[in-house]
Amino acid sequence: EAGVAQSPRYKIIEKRQSVAFWCNPISGHATLYWYQQILGQGPKLLIQFQNNGVVDDSQLPKDRFSAERLKGVDSTLKIQPAKLEDSAVYLCASSLEASTYNEQFFGPGTRLTVL
Amino acid sequence: SQQGEEDPQALSIQEGENATMNCSYKTSINNLQWYRQNSGRGLVHLILIRSNEREKHSGRLRVTLDTSKKSSSLLITASRAADTASYFCATDRGTSGSRLTFGEGTQLTVNP
Repeated sequence: EAGVAQSPRYKIIEKRQSVAFWCNPISGHATLYWYQQILGQGPKLLIQFQNNGVVDDSQLPKDRFSAERLKGVDSTLKIQPAKLEDSAVYLCASSLEASTYNEQFFGPGTRLTVL
Repeated sequence: SQQGEEDPQALSIQEGENATMNCSYKTSINNLQWYRQNSGRGLVHLILIRSNEREKHSGRLRVTLDTSKKSSSLLITASRAADTASYFCATDRGTSGSRLTFGEGTQLTVNP
């Protein structure tokens, strides 16, 4: 079974530029998550989708971050404009459904460096 | 402060020894999960323990949960160099789905 795919794996941009990350979850997984992991810290949930609807985006900085999941499959996370403090690894995860006892499967992440 | 705080922050042991990591949290939970993260395999789910369970085993892993003390421990027995990684506990308080809150992690180094 193919895992969660993410691209690009690495991205370096200047502050105030825009960047987008892409995620393809495991086939059949209805729930998709985006996390931000700053170096030395644990992942922090940014947004959760159930199919193509947003379940929780309470920790998403909506003035600069946006995310969408068209057709309930792939998802993109965008930052516009980027700040230095956005340097982090952005992890995408998926689970079969939104049940609280479902394991989340994580992708390899996109490492973003903002200069 | 952070829900799910691991202790110690770093642990260095010899191969064959046991490693114990602790996690404390502040609010009520549905379940608590442990994840491992290393550069080779990313973040991987290890084990889930429900709030009504007190102990769970999986291979060389043993997890305990004490909801009265709001704490959990992860024991890795007979450690191997390949166990070198960061270990995170994640609490799930979701009432209509899974919402994980991760701790800061414990960096485990197993020396051959």
